[in-house]
Amino acid sequence: DAGVTQSPTHLIKTRGQHVTLRCSPISGHKSVSWYQQVLGQGPQFIFQYYEKEERGRGNFPDRFSARQFPNYSSELNVNALLLGDSALYLCASSLEAGGPQETQYFGPGTRLLVL
Amino acid sequence: AQKITQTQPGMFVQEKEAVTLDCTYDTSDPSYGLFWYKQPSSGEMIFLIYQGSYDQQNATEGRYSLNFQKARKSANLVISASQLGDSAMYFCAMRSEDTGRRALTFGSGTRLQVQP
Repeated sequence: DAGVTQSPTHLIKTRGQHVTLRCSPISGHKSVSWYQQVLGQGPQFIFQYYEKEERGRGNFPDRFSARQFPNYSSELNVNALLLGDSALYLCASSLEAGGPQETQYFGPGTRLLVL
Repeated sequence: AQKITQTQPGMFVQEKEAVTLDCTYDTSDPSYGLFWYKQPSSGEMIFLIYQGSYDQQNATEGRYSLNFQKARKSANLVISASQLGDSAMYFCAMRSEDTGRRALTFGSGTRLQVQP
């Protein structure tokens, strides 16, 4: 079975531009979460979606938005890019948006460089 | 608020030896889950092992075991018989039942280097 897939794998943008990152969860998983990992740090939570509804939001500005589609795939959008948005963006899928015991499985990530 | 602390930025271990990676956590929730992930240089976070706060036994998955000491709020990862392929970043993470906090909170990671 395919794992979590993300596209593109790498991306270079300039300040002020907009970017869309895509994620397809593991087949049968209904929840997708997005994380930002700046170089040298652990991932930071951005959003969680379940059944097309936002279930959680981290401490990120409104320039960050996301959505989930009927097939459970998801997009993360970032407007007005800043240099500080350069990071590895990780998508994670889980069966449900369940309790503490639920394991999240990560994709390979999208490396975004903002110049 | 939840917090994960990993105090070892880097660790070295000889091939075939065991190594312990430290993790302490802080939460006021009685129900929580603790996870360890491995991140090779490729970037993908690979799930290794899970421990629930109510689990009586320490979790084990192959060469990985989790030394869970609830009173001390520690969840150390033990890797037995280290292999060269174990060289990577290792992250401890937590998830709790706290409203709206179903996201994973990660520590800063430990870079493990296995030497031949």
